[in-house]
Amino acid sequence: AQKITQTQPGMFVQEKEAVTLDCTYDTSDQSYGLFWYKQPSSGEMIFLIYQGSYDEQNATEGRYSLNFQKARKSANLVISASQLGDSAMYFCAMRDYTGRRALTFGSGTRLQVQP
Amino acid sequence: GAGVSQSPRYKVAKRGQDVALRCDPISGHVSLFWYQQALGQGPEFLTYFQNEAQLDKSGLPSDRFFAERPEGSVSTLKIQRTQQEDSAVYLCASAFTDSGANVLTFGAGSRLTVL
Repeated sequence: AQKITQTQPGMFVQEKEAVTLDCTYDTSDQSYGLFWYKQPSSGEMIFLIYQGSYDEQNATEGRYSLNFQKARKSANLVISASQLGDSAMYFCAMRDYTGRRALTFGSGTRLQVQP
Repeated sequence: GAGVSQSPRYKVAKRGQDVALRCDPISGHVSLFWYQQALGQGPEFLTYFQNEAQLDKSGLPSDRFFAERPEGSVSTLKIQRTQQEDSAVYLCASAFTDSGANVLTFGAGSRLTVL
């Protein structure tokens, strides 16, 4: 069974600073994908970034980067130059390539960006 | 459509009533997922469709929950004899293919409150 752990219920960051949101995962599968989603107060889940288990380079998407450490089973999200609009819930999720097609989510981290 | 559309956005039901929640996925998306999100928690998988076939319903919490996607596009999640513990946001997501690397696009959710 897959499991995602996000140990930071809440985080604060000053505007324009970088912040790292932690995510560890557990799976017995060799092929899987890791995802980060943002959920603002409006409720919609917004896809941010994806990392495949066989990707050798860390994924980057604009101000978002994923610090992937396969041996440690961690997939931390780094947001650079935080903006007020980044205040939201952030969820780490994973999906294996060969079995169940559903995403398994962590419990989330609430990020608050302060001016 | 341009995104995943869910209706109603808000539903208040008296305990024991039946409810139906609708999901209109992105046109051409093969995969469709339903998730349940309790307040302050990450989304929990309910069920998965590939076209009209319900391939995984392992997350449905009881036989009061039923989902269908008869023509492989619009899906309906039905909850019979609602209970207070059914109060949650119900999220629908779709994806273009069944590939494990495919990104799920979520709707804004239907918030169900059972009194």
